[in-house]
Amino acid sequence: DGGITQSPKYLFRKEGQNVTLSCEQNLNHDAMYWYRQDPGQGLRLIYYSQIVNDFQKGDIAEGYSVSREKKESFPLTVTSAQKNPTAFYLCASTTRDTYNSPLHFGNGTRLTVT
Amino acid sequence: AQTVTQSQPEMSVQEAETVTLSCTYDTSENNYYLFWYKQPPSRQMILVIRQEAYKQQNATENRFSVNFQKAAKSFSLKISDSQLGDTAMYFCAFMIRQGGSEKLVFGKGTKLTVNP
Repeated sequence: DGGITQSPKYLFRKEGQNVTLSCEQNLNHDAMYWYRQDPGQGLRLIYYSQIVNDFQKGDIAEGYSVSREKKESFPLTVTSAQKNPTAFYLCASTTRDTYNSPLHFGNGTRLTVT
Repeated sequence: AQTVTQSQPEMSVQEAETVTLSCTYDTSENNYYLFWYKQPPSRQMILVIRQEAYKQQNATENRFSVNFQKAAKSFSLKISDSQLGDTAMYFCAFMIRQGGSEKLVFGKGTKLTVNP
């Protein structure tokens, strides 16, 4: 079955350390997205990528970095510059064949930084 | 700025009754798509229903329907015959296209509780 896999489900890090969240999809989707979810804040866009080797900043990109070297993979690095990294992170993807294609989401990674 | 506003942080409804979740949005775009997503306690995001802005007919998916008022920029979700499994966070969102890229903008969500 096709889908989006985020790993790990839970991640714990010490403050000052960089950490990379994995996102892999086998849906053959061109576009991939990273969202951050905080209580009462909804989903906020961090970075998105429409094609391989290209990505754009979303609304809250500061303190994060991404790469898109392969179509199926879009890892997110949370750097030590991110002031409040503890959150739930969701990866999503969609085809660009039709404009109204909905986003397919992974199951998320809960990151806790202490 | 592209924004989505869900004015009801929390709502509750009795099982089998009907509930309406409100959503308003702001965009200068003329061509966009609107979505409602559901996030149950498992935190998996699930598409509930979608609406194309250029279509006047309101979308319907089984017990879920929308009331789309383009001029008012309103996109409410009606859940009929509410079931316990409908308990979840509900997010309104719209997809915009800018400079060849598409992105989905979300509201802050409404927490819906269905009571037995």
